[in-house]
Amino acid sequence: EDKVVQSPLSLVVHEGDTVTLNCSYEVTNFRSLLWYKQEKKAPTFLFMLTSSGIEKKSGRLSSILDKKELFSILNITATQTGDSAVYLCAVEDRSGSRLTFGEGTQLTVNP
Amino acid sequence: DVKVTQSSRYLVKRTGEKVFLECVQDMDHENMFWYRQDPGLGLRLIYFSYDVKMKEKGDIPEGYSVSREKKERFSLILESASTNQTSMYLCASSPSSGAGGHYEQYFGPGTRLTVT
Repeated sequence: EDKVVQSPLSLVVHEGDTVTLNCSYEVTNFRSLLWYKQEKKAPTFLFMLTSSGIEKKSGRLSSILDKKELFSILNITATQTGDSAVYLCAVEDRSGSRLTFGEGTQLTVNP
Repeated sequence: DVKVTQSSRYLVKRTGEKVFLECVQDMDHENMFWYRQDPGLGLRLIYFSYDVKMKEKGDIPEGYSVSREKKERFSLILESASTNQTSMYLCASSPSSGAGGHYEQYFGPGTRLTVT
């Protein structure tokens, strides 16, 4: 059974801080790892990672995958209150397009 | 922009009622998914579909069924609603990855179902 574990489950920081969110996984036939941001509505797509060591970057957010150690990190620099959300990590296996999600990390950024 | 819509944002039903949750996507995606999201458990896959009239069980299909009569529409059915089915239900769609492409899933806004 595929498994995704995120840590920490909850994090409270001040504006301007840098945060690192972790995602470890066990999947039989790995295909990709995805990060989503969920505010009080639908999850929105952030990154898809398929290869080890290649950083994906979008503004203040970046992510990298380590397929040998089976984990990924999501970094957010210079956090803003608008970054407050649940960040979801999911893995896709090769059998199809289905995703297995972790519990999510609740990030709260205080002014 | 891809748009995934769900028939209701909030729904309150009584125990034993038959409940239909509808999901429609406008991007001609082959794949459609139903998840439920509960605190401490994350998103869990209930059912998914790779094509019209095709369905596959996810991780927690018990107590649910689905219907996909048209490509753009995927319905989740609770045959006899129970209080433990109170949850947030999220629908998603994605293109087929059969040609080796990588595609993210696009989510609808969710339906918060309360069963009393």
